Amino acid sequence: AQSVTQLGSHVSVSEGALVLLRCNYSSSVPPYLFWYVQYPNQGLQLLLKYTSAATLVKGINGFEAEFKKSETSFHLTKPSAHMSDAAEYFCAVSRPGGNQGGKLIFGQGTELSVKP
Amino acid sequence: ETGVTQTPRHLVMGMTNKKSLKCEQHLGHNAMYWYKQSAKKPLELMFVYSLEERVENNSVPSRFSPECPNSSHLFLHLHTLQPEDSALYLCASSPGSRSIYEQYFGPGTRLTVT
Repeated sequence: AQSVTQLGSHVSVSEGALVLLRCNYSSSVPPYLFWYVQYPNQGLQLLLKYTSAATLVKGINGFEAEFKKSETSFHLTKPSAHMSDAAEYFCAVSRPGGNQGGKLIFGQGTELSVKP
Repeated sequence: ETGVTQTPRHLVMGMTNKKSLKCEQHLGHNAMYWYKQSAKKPLELMFVYSLEERVENNSVPSRFSPECPNSSHLFLHLHTLQPEDSALYLCASSPGSRSIYEQYFGPGTRLTVT
């Protein structure tokens, strides 16, 4: 069975500081992993995805994530936080297709605050 | 219109009302999804449609009734809801449901049940 754990429901950083949002996964098969961002009163927007190619994945808005199989992790980073990065971030693992079809399993989300 | 759209964006309804949420995707995708997002809870997958056929129903109460007339449109019909049904309802689509694809989300409908 697939599952995702996001460590820390709330992370606060200063503008210009490193952003690190943690995600650990559990999967019985090689996983596909995703990071989504949700701004207030909006839907989820795909930031980046890992689909078994390069382990370091670059996404939009300067974010990147590294797949580490030995640590079962897929942490999201950005070298320098911007005020506009304040949002909620969701890590997700994909359940492979079958009779019921594939679906995404989401973590509980991490709210990122950016202080001026 | 591009991407995934949802109407209305906000809805307030009484427990005895009947209303419908509408979702439309302009991406040529074959699968569509309904999610419920409540405060302090993970996203809950409610229904999955693939090529207009319902392929998943996650033990959702019968007061929620989905309808998928074609691969571009998805509805969620609501009747005799409870206050605990107040939440953000998100629609998503993906190229297919039987493979591992990312999903594209609409902006959601904020539902308040009074």
